Amino acid sequence: AAGVIQSPRHLIKEKRETATLKCYPIPRHDTVYWYQQGPGQDPQFLISFYEKMQSDKGSIPDRFSAQQFSDYHSELNMSSLELGDSALYFCASSLARSSYNEQFFGPGTRLTVL
Amino acid sequence: KNQVEQSPQSLIILEGKNCTLQCNYTVSPFSNLRWYKQDTGRGPVSLTIMTFSENTKSNGRYTATLDADTKQSSLHITASQLSDSASYICVVTVRSNDYKLSFGAGTTVTVRA
Repeated sequence: AAGVIQSPRHLIKEKRETATLKCYPIPRHDTVYWYQQGPGQDPQFLISFYEKMQSDKGSIPDRFSAQQFSDYHSELNMSSLELGDSALYFCASSLARSSYNEQFFGPGTRLTVL
Repeated sequence: KNQVEQSPQSLIILEGKNCTLQCNYTVSPFSNLRWYKQDTGRGPVSLTIMTFSENTKSNGRYTATLDADTKQSSLHITASQLSDSASYICVVTVRSNDYKLSFGAGTTVTVRA
């Protein structure tokens, strides 16, 4: 079965640069979530989209923005990168009206800021 | 304060042995509780999902229990294998429009030969 696809899997940037992470949800899923997981920490919710509209916002810095496109893929744009932005960034997708609204996670993008 | 507490923080077991991980939560209103397995550097993979009406659910050698009255859950791993070495995360879903997830800090399990 198709899973959540994230690209790139690894990304190295320097301070003050920008980065764009992409997420392709499971086909027919209508909701996308972004999480940030620092070393040894649990995932922190950043933002979510339902049917291409922002549905909830967590601890996403103002330097970050995201959107969901007409094909339901989502992009997380990160500007003025800081060393502390180095983390694993997970995307998850779900079908909002499913019985559990289960979130399926992608493999993650490891961002390293030098 | 984290609303999902897991114990132990880590444990080491010998291959073939059983182990039990604990999860206590204070999240309310409760929707469902999930156990995820996360290999290092990978995304979490769902093992079990339980609503308040379910007491136990199995997925192969993994068995999860839930006591919604005491807000406790456990994950039992039977006949552990080396591939069970991972972080096991308890996640509780809040009953809201977005079903926001509350993550526990995870229990790191190391299985040794």
